[in-house]
Amino acid sequence: AQKVTQAQTEISVVEKEDVTLDCVYETRDTTYYLFWYKQPPSGELVFLIRRNSFDEQNEISGRYSWNFQKSTSSFNFTITASQVVDSAVYFCALSDAKKTSYDKVIFGPGTSLSVIP
Amino acid sequence: DAGVIQSPRHEVTEMGQEVTLRCKPISGHDYLFWYRQTMMRGLELLIYFNNNVPIDDSGMPEDRFSAKMPNASFSTLKIQPSEPRDSAVYFCASSSGLAGITDTQYFGPGTRLTVL
Repeated sequence: AQKVTQAQTEISVVEKEDVTLDCVYETRDTTYYLFWYKQPPSGELVFLIRRNSFDEQNEISGRYSWNFQKSTSSFNFTITASQVVDSAVYFCALSDAKKTSYDKVIFGPGTSLSVIP
Repeated sequence: DAGVIQSPRHEVTEMGQEVTLRCKPISGHDYLFWYRQTMMRGLELLIYFNNNVPIDDSGMPEDRFSAKMPNASFSTLKIQPSEPRDSAVYFCASSSGLAGITDTQYFGPGTRLTVL
């Protein structure tokens, strides 16, 4: 069975610190997709990234970067020089990609990040 | 573009009543998704459509839930009869379906459903 673990329930950092959010997944599929989403205190959902299992290149988008390591079944998310606006709950998700990248998506429980000014 | 539009934003109903949630995706997007978020179960993908056709409805919890997409600009999620445990925030999202990192999902503001 597929599973997504986000062991860090809550993290607090001081503004401008770097922070890494961990995501560990379990799947027996060789083809799958991994996702990260952000949910600010206002409640909306924001899609951050989708990555397929064949692409182990790390991804950087501004202050955000993602480290995908198949060997450890991890897809960690790092925010560099954190800002107060980064305060949110971050969800990692996994799909089995049988037909499209969104099949049988399951979410982790989320990590609540607080960035203190 | 107005983004993904959901209505109503809030719905309070009594157990046993029929509830219909509505979603208008971003024009030109081929994929539409319905998600549910509760404290107990977290985030769940209920169903998604590609070109108005349901592709994966394995997340739909029970037969009381049904979703339709009669055309490219409108989808409904219906609960009949509703139960208190259906109380949640329901999000709709759409995406263009392009390959790679450019395939961004855009979410609506959500409908907060309370079943008394």
